[in-house]
Amino acid sequence: AQSVAQPEDQVNVAEGNPLTVKCTYSVSGNPYLFWYVQYPNRGLQFLLKYITGDNLVKGSYGFEAEFNKSQTSFHLKKPSALVSDSALYFCAARHNAGNMLTFGGGTRLMVKP
Amino acid sequence: DSGVTQTPKHLITATGQRVTLRCSPRSGDLSVYWYQQSLDQGLQFLIHYYNGEERAKGNILERFSAQQFPDLHSELNLSSLELGDSALYFCASSVMDRNTGELFFGEGSRLTVL
Repeated sequence: AQSVAQPEDQVNVAEGNPLTVKCTYSVSGNPYLFWYVQYPNRGLQFLLKYITGDNLVKGSYGFEAEFNKSQTSFHLKKPSALVSDSALYFCAARHNAGNMLTFGGGTRLMVKP
Repeated sequence: DSGVTQTPKHLITATGQRVTLRCSPRSGDLSVYWYQQSLDQGLQFLIHYYNGEERAKGNILERFSAQQFPDLHSELNLSSLELGDSALYFCASSVMDRNTGELFFGEGSRLTVL
């Protein structure tokens, strides 16, 4: 069975500071990894994905994520946080032969001015 | 706007009742996925349809059923509703069968069971 863990329910960061939202996964085979963002009263929006290749993946809105196979992690990062980045962030994973995307529990990012 | 339309946006009903949630995928998308989002369970995969055929089942209760019609819209039927079924139900669509990555989510249907 595959699983995704987001160890932090909430991350607080000051505007302009770098941010990291953590994600670890357990997937058999080669993992496909994703980050989605959910703004209040909205559906989830795709941010970025890792399928294969470079361990550093760049996505929308200046976000990037680093894949670390040995640590089975896929942390979301941004060099300089904006207040508008405040939202709920979900990490998701599936193995390369499967259909089911498994989501982590979500991390609420609060960026304060 | 993701292009995925879900109706109704809000629904309040009583225990024991039955409701139907509807999803229209993005134009051209053949796959439809249903997810349930609740405070205690997070985002749970329910079921996946591709071009009218069921392809994968997740944590979907026997009281719940779904189908995808020839015009590719999908319906999620929830019956014998319980208080614990109160949640936000999302539909997502994608082009590919194998869910290679990007899913496009609707804004959800918020179900409240009283």
